[in-house]
Amino acid sequence: GQQLNQSPQSMFIQEGEDVSMNCTSSSIFNTWLWYKQDPGEGPVLLIALYKAGELTSNGRLTAQFGTTRKDSFLNISASIPSDVGIYFCAGHRGSQGNLIFGKGTKLSVKP
Amino acid sequence: NAGVTQTPKFQVLKTGQSMTLQCAQDMNHNSMYWYRQDPGMGLRLIYYSASEGTTDKGEVPNGYNVSRLNKREFSLRLESAAPSQTSVYFCASMRLGNTEAFFGQGTRLTVV
Repeated sequence: GQQLNQSPQSMFIQEGEDVSMNCTSSSIFNTWLWYKQDPGEGPVLLIALYKAGELTSNGRLTAQFGTTRKDSFLNISASIPSDVGIYFCAGHRGSQGNLIFGKGTKLSVKP
Repeated sequence: NAGVTQTPKFQVLKTGQSMTLQCAQDMNHNSMYWYRQDPGMGLRLIYYSASEGTTDKGEVPNGYNVSRLNKREFSLRLESAAPSQTSVYFCASMRLGNTEAFFGQGTRLTVV
């Protein structure tokens, strides 16, 4: 099936550091989304990207839709302890009603 | 505003038992989805319903059945549970013409 390759798998950083993670695919997607999952909770949408090349911010978070439509990245600036969780990228091809998810990046932040 | 509500939150089953996971959304969304989440595997689609009255298989449908009871409710049934179905199950919904899915809090199922 379709796959999204998300990296890194996990990150251990110091509070205040910036974070970068990315997602790549061999297929083109029309929409890229980034979700965050807190322990014991369901994923929550952070940012949605709809156009190739689009750069969108949500507070300390910035995400970009790659120009080839096969990749996306998420940056978190000045990390804080509550940024801890698993971050998922997801792609949607438009013609089908399915979201395809990456395997997630687990973020740990040391105070 | 409840969003997507899943019941139960936790369940332990014996191998061979059956059960139904319930999901309801109050956002008037057309599409509903069932995913399972396993360590290191991300979220994998089990079944989805693009609209009331339709259901389709996702990536990992074997061992499951679904029912789209009405626009609000989408249930997932395990007829004969197996240890390989131990997982966290998430229901999600999506508005027509939109690609932003909203998730429930999950059902943690253990099959012993």
